Amino acid sequence: KNEVEQSPQNLTAQEGEFITINCSYSVGISALHWLQQHPGGGIVSLFMLSSGKKKHGRLIATINIQEKHSSLHITASHPRDSAVYICAVFTSGSRLTFGEGTQLTVNP
Amino acid sequence: KAGVTQTPRYLIKTRGQQVTLSCSPISGHRSVSWYQQTPGQGLQFLFEYFSETQRNKGNFPGRFSGRQFSNSRSEMNVSTLELGDSALYLCASSFSRNQETQYFGPGTRLLVL
Repeated sequence: KNEVEQSPQNLTAQEGEFITINCSYSVGISALHWLQQHPGGGIVSLFMLSSGKKKHGRLIATINIQEKHSSLHITASHPRDSAVYICAVFTSGSRLTFGEGTQLTVNP
Repeated sequence: KAGVTQTPRYLIKTRGQQVTLSCSPISGHRSVSWYQQTPGQGLQFLFEYFSETQRNKGNFPGRFSGRQFSNSRSEMNVSTLELGDSALYLCASSFSRNQETQYFGPGTRLLVL
């Protein structure tokens, strides 16, 4: 079993839909990253969370440390949101352990 | 501020050769981590450098090595390349070793023939 699991692996939505991507982890952590990777390969950090909730534009991320679960929500999805979304946790120092990623496709 | 830069962006090598990849972190950042991304294994941690010292190492064979210079720039080296080393190699920098946001470079795509 992977230390970090994401669901779903693939997600197709229509423009304007509300999207949720889930991340569960089995190790004790103090912080979690949500990352976005576009087809060219570059990775962008969307959020780093250690508790509660953060919002940036149409993106919202929540984390429940006790339940070892985090969610990434996208409101009013747009085709430009199409990308791979990756959950990553700090397991030791600056070492990140990654989920397998969720491929999101938003159709116009 | 300039972002994390990696050179070269693309590389083709043959089995048995060695390769050196370079990463320049964001100015002022002292921690550099390296990751390998393949379709089969996803993103995996290679190693982390801080203040010219390797602080953490992932589960990769000794053919994978790295170093960090006094200006925080880092290099990783893979010797005796194997077909399975074909991957996207990403580096990420952060200011310290605390668990803080990491900023990723564009990656070096290595193809081993």
